[in-house]
Amino acid sequence: NAGVMQNPRHLVRRRGQEARLRCSPMKGHSHVYWYRQLPEEGLKFMVYLQKENIIDESGMPKERFSAEFPKEGPSILRIQQVVRGDSAAYFCASSVGLAGNEQFFGPGTRLTVL
Amino acid sequence: AQKVTQAQTEISVVEKEDVTLDCVYETRDTTYYLFWYKQPPSGELVFLIRRNSFDEQNEISGRYSWNFQKSTSSFNFTITASQVVDSAVYFCALSEGGWSNDYKLSFGAGTTVTVRA
Repeated sequence: NAGVMQNPRHLVRRRGQEARLRCSPMKGHSHVYWYRQLPEEGLKFMVYLQKENIIDESGMPKERFSAEFPKEGPSILRIQQVVRGDSAAYFCASSVGLAGNEQFFGPGTRLTVL
Repeated sequence: AQKVTQAQTEISVVEKEDVTLDCVYETRDTTYYLFWYKQPPSGELVFLIRRNSFDEQNEISGRYSWNFQKSTSSFNFTITASQVVDSAVYFCALSEGGWSNDYKLSFGAGTTVTVRA
């Protein structure tokens, strides 16, 4: 029973490049959440998606960031033209989508922008 | 506005001591959910417990126990007889999805627990 999978685990990009982070939810989970953990900080909500729908993107920076969760395949968090301030750990979580259900987290993707 | 406050940034104890982590939350919803997660040095996030706003019964799981008090908006976490493996960052989180379909978690800043042998 595989848990939430994220890849890559570590990603290095130079300023101006694009970063693509992938998340495969747990089997049976149709709700995906992305959180960001900046160095020495807690976790901040970014976006909440169901299949083919964005439910809440109130935590997403207005520019350069986008997310999708297509009907088939993993959820993708895309960061265009990365800057050093984007260096962080990005966690994906999934749940069955009922109120109060626990979210299970993936191992995270550590993004380093040089 | 900060919805979850973990006032303790760091706690250091000697093995076998008890340690209590404070969590105070803020919400206007009558239905809400509280969580604790553990983040060991390896970096992953491990779910520990969930509590809904209608269930104030305290819970014990092995060396872990949780004290939920709506009157003080607190959901504190105690590790009894701490062990070195308990060293981690512990996060308290709140979900206000009682009336909406938005179940995102609002996390506290985390408390770093260091257990010394």
